[in-house]
Amino acid sequence: GAVVSQHPSRVICKSGTSVKIECRSLDFQATTMFWYRQFPKKSLMLMATSNEGSKATYEQGVEKDKFLINHASLTLSTLTVTSAHPEDSSFYICSARLASSYNEQFFGPGTRLTVL
Amino acid sequence: GQQLNQSPQSMFIQEGEDVSMNCTSSSIFNTWLWYKQEPGEGPVLLIALYKAGELTSNGRLTAQFGITRKDSFLNISASIPSDVGIYFCAGQGEGGTNAGKSTFGDGTTLTVKP
Repeated sequence: GAVVSQHPSRVICKSGTSVKIECRSLDFQATTMFWYRQFPKKSLMLMATSNEGSKATYEQGVEKDKFLINHASLTLSTLTVTSAHPEDSSFYICSARLASSYNEQFFGPGTRLTVL
Repeated sequence: GQQLNQSPQSMFIQEGEDVSMNCTSSSIFNTWLWYKQEPGEGPVLLIALYKAGELTSNGRLTAQFGITRKDSFLNISASIPSDVGIYFCAGQGEGGTNAGKSTFGDGTTLTVKP
């Protein structure tokens, strides 16, 4: 149980385009999902907390107009990188929290974004 | 904000050896989590600790929640090649704006030589 998927696993796009990444909890309902960014050989940096049915809470320094988050259902959150630039290239990972387990987060497999 | 210091940054060990890594924080956490991440994958939860002083095992892995609530360690006994990966600690603070949010250490990269 507690499986989280992400789609796509890899995406290459041209500078200036927008890219949408999906995060799904496959066998449980997640009222809260988190979006992280990870640079090579670095730790996970929390970008935002996504709550179903409400606006996402962004961490300091993360542009909410640049990284649009939508959590429209209890099993799906999306992150859209708008007008992507090469510096947005990174590994984006989502996690979902069980409603019954406040502290444990289950991570998706990540999405490798490369902006040319 | 909250910061975690994880050490060592990397380890190169022989198969069969034991491994120890730890995390310390300047802030108190009420939950400590240990994850393993393999290349191109998301982190996988290994052990969760909820009480100061708690010692929990998961197979060859053992982790402890420090009494001061500011540190935690992870031990791996009798390492095998498939233990290779990056191990992250994560701490969760008390309620309010930090409720349920994890702060991650910088990771310990483990290499096991057969």
